[in-house]
Amino acid sequence: DAGVIQSPRHEVTEMGQEVTLRCKPISGHNSLFWYRQTMMRGLELLIYFNNNVPIDDSGMPEDRFSAKMPNASFSTLKIQPSEPRDSAVYFCASSSGLASTTGELFFGEGSRLTVL
Amino acid sequence: GESVGLHLPTLSVQEGDNSIINCAYSNSASDYFIWYKQESGKGPQFIIDIRSNMDKRQGQRVTVLLNKTVKHLSLQIAATQPGDSAVYFCAENYGGATNKLIFGTGTLLAVQP
Repeated sequence: DAGVIQSPRHEVTEMGQEVTLRCKPISGHNSLFWYRQTMMRGLELLIYFNNNVPIDDSGMPEDRFSAKMPNASFSTLKIQPSEPRDSAVYFCASSSGLASTTGELFFGEGSRLTVL
Repeated sequence: GESVGLHLPTLSVQEGDNSIINCAYSNSASDYFIWYKQESGKGPQFIIDIRSNMDKRQGQRVTVLLNKTVKHLSLQIAATQPGDSAVYFCAENYGGATNKLIFGTGTLLAVQP
């Protein structure tokens, strides 16, 4: 299996531009998570989906952030408009069961976003 | 200007020594805990887990200890190797019975040859 696939790996954009990050979870996994990692705040859970349905989006910073999972093999995290403080590494992870009981989230390599 | 970043605790050990990485978790209702390892430029990787009905669990070269009284976890790595150099995170299923895994701030383990 190729693992969780994220794109792009790196993105540099200007303030105000729309950013779309993409994730393909591991085939057969039914839970998908978006995390953000910064030096200031560490690893933060933004949102997670179970069977393509958003379950908890309380970590989404504000209305500029949105996430979708139109099918079991694809999810997007969109930032519009982007701001310099959104600069971070965004990780997507998937799991085959309840992460609270199996623990094994499989993380992608991350998308490093720089907003100038 | 320069941003003030999170200062990661750092543990520096000699190759071959045992390492102990500590973590305090936040929610007494959390009932499942996991340790992850993150190498530079990569995503976190699962190491070992433990449920709240246990106080110790062993894996290959790693042991996790759980002290619920003081909400404390530790990860012990035996015979530390250069390949163990990474940032280590503990995570809890915040509040129990949830898919919501909350990560701690992490500890940088630096293995000196």
